[in-house]
Formats: sequence, structure tokens, C-alpha cells
Amino acid sequence: GAVVSQHPSWVICKSGTSVKIECRSLDFQATTMFWYRQFPKQSLMLMATSNEGSKATYEQGVEKDKFLINHASLTLSTLTVTSAHPEDSSFYICSARQGRNQPQHFGDGTRLSIL
Amino acid sequence: RKEVEQDPGPFNVPEGATVAFNCTYSNSASQSFFWYRQDCRKEPKLLMSVYSSGNEDGRFTAQLNRASQYISLLIRDSKLSDSATYLCVVNMEENYGQNFVFGPGTRLSVLP
Repeated sequence: GAVVSQHPSWVICKSGTSVKIECRSLDFQATTMFWYRQFPKQSLMLMATSNEGSKATYEQGVEKDKFLINHASLTLSTLTVTSAHPEDSSFYICSARQGRNQPQHFGDGTRLSIL
Repeated sequence: RKEVEQDPGPFNVPEGATVAFNCTYSNSASQSFFWYRQDCRKEPKLLMSVYSSGNEDGRFTAQLNRASQYISLLIRDSKLSDSATYLCVVNMEENYGQNFVFGPGTRLSVLP
């Protein structure tokens, strides 16, 4: 149980393109989803917390107009990297949990490369 | 002081060895605790939750010491496949602004 699917796994695109990443909880309803970014050999960095039906809460230093998050249902959250630039290249990972003290379950991650 | 601290390692141990990792956390009101493992270039995977009474899952034993605010992970009879980064995760109170806090991870290499 507790499977989280993230799509796409890999994205390579030109600078200026907007990229949309989907995160789905396949066998449970996720009241909260999280979006992380991880640079090579570094820790996971929380970007934002997304609650179904409400606006995402962004961490300090994360531009909400740059990283658009939509959590329209209890099983789907999307992250759109708008007008991506090479410095946005990173490993983006989503996670989902059923309840407040429940563990997070992670998607496979999306490796984004902006040329 | 960082919210969740871990020894970054790396810990290089031979196959069959027993290895232990510690993790300390700053918020005494933290409610739940987890260990995750992350393989290189992969997403973190839940290894085990950590309960107040301590818990064991095969070769893995997790302990929680609320008084000293640390949790530990013990791996017995290490296998090559145990090589990974082990992340300590603490679920902190909402008013800290961040609910789930990940430690920086401890890297383990099990050598043949």
C-alpha cells in the first residue's frame, strides 16, 4: 500500500519552457502533499506544503510565482516550474501522507535538466 | 542549533558488522519519528517508524529517547545492499512552521 506515483521521471527542455510535474497517491487519499528539491549530494529541501483545496504554503526563499502548486483533489498535486532556467535543474520529489502523524511516502522523483 | 542533526559519515563497515546511527532533535514536543533510506539518485523510502518503546524489524532496531531527544538506528549483520544514506525524520509541532523535518542524512557504505 501507500504508493505515490510521480510523472514524468525525466525532463530535458530549453530555457524558458514551463514544466509541469504530477504527483498522485494511488491507493490512499492524501490530505497533504509535499514538494522537495534535492541538489547532488545535498539534503532534501522542502519547497512547499500543499493541502487539498487550499493554497500551498511555501518555504522561505521559494518563489510562489515561479513554482506553481495546485492540489485540486485528494489524490493529485501538480508542480509547475514556470519559465525554467538552468539553475532550476534539480531532482524534484513529491511526497504524500494520509494524516498528520503518518509517515510520508515519496514519488520516484523527477530529474529536471534545463539546457 | 539545527532542528534535526545527524552525523553525516560516511560510515564504512565490512559486511556482517553492526552499525548504529544517532539523530538528535531540538523540539521536545515532537510527536513522531521515522527512519528513511535514500539510495543514490533515488527517492527516500520509509524504513521504519520509531515508537516510544523501541521497535525491531528484522536486522533493524530503532530506539527513541525522549528525555535526551535522540533516536537511533541499529543495523545488525550488515549487507552490501544496506549501503545508502539514512535519513532521520522528526514530525514537529505545527507552530514551528514546518511539520516534517528531515535530517541531513548519514551515509553508510558496507564493504565486501
